[in-house]
Amino acid sequence: AQSVTQPDARVTVSEGASLQLRCKYSYFGTPYLFWYVQYPRQGLQLLLKYYPGDPVVQGVNGFEAEFSKSNSSFHLRKASVHWSDWAVYFCAVNNYAQGLTFGLGTRVSVFP
Amino acid sequence: DMKVTQMPRYLIKRMGENVLLECGQDMSHETMYWYRQDPGLGLQLIYISYDVDSNSEGDIPKGYRVSRKKREHFSLILDSAKTNQTSVYFCASSSRDEQYFGPGTRLTVL
Repeated sequence: AQSVTQPDARVTVSEGASLQLRCKYSYFGTPYLFWYVQYPRQGLQLLLKYYPGDPVVQGVNGFEAEFSKSNSSFHLRKASVHWSDWAVYFCAVNNYAQGLTFGLGTRVSVFP
Repeated sequence: DMKVTQMPRYLIKRMGENVLLECGQDMSHETMYWYRQDPGLGLQLIYISYDVDSNSEGDIPKGYRVSRKKREHFSLILDSAKTNQTSVYFCASSSRDEQYFGPGTRLTVL
């Protein structure tokens, strides 16, 4: 069965520093992969999505992610973090007819 | 502007009362979802609807039922709410695999 693992429950980063959030997936076949962000007291918003093609995908607000089939990974990156990036980030993989399977999320805290 | 709405945003009920959570979308998406989100458990799928009157159980359907009589509306019903159903509930609709989420309903069952 498909699954998503986000090994880091919490990440703390200084404003202006780079950020990488890890995501490992398990999926039989070629996955569609997604990163969502959840700001406090809000729903999830799509950051970026991967459909088979270029392994590096660009998203909103300077985020990008890289797909690796050999590592079963879809890590999210941002070169310079802003205080407004304080949020919870979810990785997800398509779940055939059941929509998406989500990881448990990584809570990102940004400090000056 | 593509949008998923949820009503109410906040709700407090007593144990044993009935609860109705409403969700609407303006994108004519066929597929809609109800999730609940709890600390440490991420998002858990309760029900999925493929279109009007075409609903399927998700991973945790027990204690919930749904209704979809119009494509743009999807309701979640808790008959005789329990304290362990205190949670934040999210509705979503999807185009292809991409899901669009509502702002959530924070339900407290006392």
